[in-house]
Amino acid sequence: GIQVEQSPPDLILQEGANSTLRCNFSDSVNNLQWFHQNPWGQLINLFYIPSGTKQNGRLSATTVATERYSLLYISSSQTTDSGVYFCAVGWNTGNQFYFGTGTSLTVIP
Amino acid sequence: KAGVTQTPRYLIKTRGQQVTLSCSPISGHRSVSWYQQTPGQGLQFLFEYFSETQRNKGNFPGRFSGRQFSNSRSEMNVSTLELGDSALYLCASSTAGGKSSYNEQFFGPGTRLTVL
Repeated sequence: GIQVEQSPPDLILQEGANSTLRCNFSDSVNNLQWFHQNPWGQLINLFYIPSGTKQNGRLSATTVATERYSLLYISSSQTTDSGVYFCAVGWNTGNQFYFGTGTSLTVIP
Repeated sequence: KAGVTQTPRYLIKTRGQQVTLSCSPISGHRSVSWYQQTPGQGLQFLFEYFSETQRNKGNFPGRFSGRQFSNSRSEMNVSTLELGDSALYLCASSTAGGKSSYNEQFFGPGTRLTVL
């Protein structure tokens, strides 16, 4: 299967700081999503971004499919941003997503 | 539109028992996928159903099975439970399978299974 590596594994930030999370994948994909997992386990959709750049408020993401990586930017972080961020990649056929091991983000006031 | 729903939210079972989990996808979504999340193995794909047919299966033993009904609702069953089956089971739905390549997946809140 496709290998997905996320970095850094853990990140501690002061409130208001900016951060970049990275997702590398081992093969060509045509699906890529970023999720935020809340403390209750729910995976919340952040971006569906198989290629290109998108922005949503303080969050933005860029995927360079030809170089097999994606970046998630969080600006002016808030304590509510704390949690685990997952990158998931896959193909349409069979709809199997491969997840990275996540980046655990802690934002301290 | 209502999101993906999963029932029950919490389950406690003992070794050797079996369990059935249910997932109702977003209205209009015909693809339902199941994932297992554990601290040791992370998020792993179990299987995916589309139009009542299993299209893809992950690397799990035959004790894990599923099905999909004509209304796209899906169930997964785990027989002869083992301690290692304790996990958060997540289901996702998407529109995958249509003519568009758009395939965003939406996850339910999960079922937390504890095997004693």
